[in-house]
Amino acid sequence: AQKITQTQPGMFVQEKEAVTLDCTYDTSDPSYGLFWYKQPSSGEMIFLIYQGSYDQQNATEGRYSLNFQKARKSANLVISASQLGDSAMYFCAMRELNTGNQFYFGTGTSLTVIP
Amino acid sequence: GAVVSQHPSWVICKSGTSVKIECRSLDFQATTMFWYRQFPKQSLMLMATSNEGSKATYEQGVEKDKFLINHASLTLSTLTVTSAHPEDSSFYICSARGESGRPNEQFFGPGTRLTVL
Repeated sequence: AQKITQTQPGMFVQEKEAVTLDCTYDTSDPSYGLFWYKQPSSGEMIFLIYQGSYDQQNATEGRYSLNFQKARKSANLVISASQLGDSAMYFCAMRELNTGNQFYFGTGTSLTVIP
Repeated sequence: GAVVSQHPSWVICKSGTSVKIECRSLDFQATTMFWYRQFPKQSLMLMATSNEGSKATYEQGVEKDKFLINHASLTLSTLTVTSAHPEDSSFYICSARGESGRPNEQFFGPGTRLTVL
């Protein structure tokens, strides 16, 4: 079974609008971390936001927020007030804290911001 | 945030030659480093995990003798692609985890684009 599932290969959003990128995960480890990374065309993986499985509050970092629904095993990324520079690939990832060091990456969502 | 560098950022080589890619943690000691490869429009695939001073752990399907990984110090890991072939052309990314143990601290290098002719 896939550890991380991103069902949206591509998304479009109007500049200044908000967009939600979906991510669901699968784990039996009660202790895990969820990550979102942005990868522009240059290839660099840019860390955006982190949510720990025991965190009570949804994580927020500037225009990025993570909609963490533990029972549904979803960790959607919300980008508010989209900017042209937000156009990139976005990867959701998970690390199981008790079972090893490995990061599991989703297949990514390509976001295009339309002026 | 912490900085991880990779060198070279891109390399073109002839088939049959070996290529070495360096990954350095610039402002922290990386107890664990990871090597990934990424094909165009695909996700990152973990190749191996290396801990300083010990042998790397390779993922299933990754040839140990072809992709040599050395993690000789707490700030440097190298990936050597031996006898490279065109199918090895890919984007190789390293990441490093520090000694803090904080689960959200894993930093990625900028990647190395390898083209084998």
